[in-house]
Amino acid sequence: DGGITQSPKYLFRKEGQNVTLSCEQNLNHDAMYWYRQDPGQGLRLIYYSQIVNDFQKGDIAEGYSVSREKKESFPLTVTSAQKNPTAFYLCASSRLAGRYEQYFGPGTRLTVT
Amino acid sequence: DAKTTQPPSMDCAEGRAANLPCNHSTISGNEYVYWYRQIHSQGPQYIIHGLKNNETNEMASLIITEDRKSSTLILPHATLRDTAVYYCIVTGPDKFYFGSGTKLNVKP
Repeated sequence: DGGITQSPKYLFRKEGQNVTLSCEQNLNHDAMYWYRQDPGQGLRLIYYSQIVNDFQKGDIAEGYSVSREKKESFPLTVTSAQKNPTAFYLCASSRLAGRYEQYFGPGTRLTVT
Repeated sequence: DAKTTQPPSMDCAEGRAANLPCNHSTISGNEYVYWYRQIHSQGPQYIIHGLKNNETNEMASLIITEDRKSSTLILPHATLRDTAVYYCIVTGPDKFYFGSGTKLNVKP
C-alpha cells in the first residue's frame, strides 16, 4: 500500500519538552510538507522540502525545526520555543512542489500541558 | 501572494448539485487552482485542479472564469458523505496557502 504514515496519532507532552513528529512516505515523492491546523481553522504551512537535504520555511516556522536526510522521511520537531504547540499536525507529499496534488497523512494531534 | 476567499459555509440538499465558489483575484499566470476537501479530523483529500481550462473528473467539475479571478467547484449529485470542509488553494512552485475553506453541509 502506497501512502503517507504519521505517528503517533495522539501525542501528549509536558511544557518545555521538545517533541518530534514522524512522517514517512513510500510514494517516491520529491516534495514534502508540514502543516499546522488549529480548531475551526485552515491549514498553515510550517516547513516544506523540495528535495533531500533542502527545506524552506513556511508561514509559521518559528519554534519548529525539520530535517530531510532521506527522501522518504521528513520529521518535524516542535521545540520548547513554540509558544502554543497544541494543535493538529499534518504531513503531505507531492511529486514536485506546487505543480502536483499533495497527498496527506492522517495527522498527529499534539497536546502540550 | 495569491490568496483565496471562500464563503465560510453552505448548505446543499442531498442529490442536488453543490456549487462552491472561490475568489482568487490576485492569481498569477503560472499559478494553478487546486481543490481539496477535509472530512473531520482527517487529512485533506485532493479533488481536482486547473490552470485556465475547465476540468472534470470522477469526483467533480472545476469551472475557471476567463480572467482566472474566480472558480467554482461543482459536485454534481451531492451525498451525505460529501459533507466536509472544501479548500480552494492557489499554488506556484513555492506557494501553498489553504485558507479557512467552506464547510459544506449536505442535508437529507
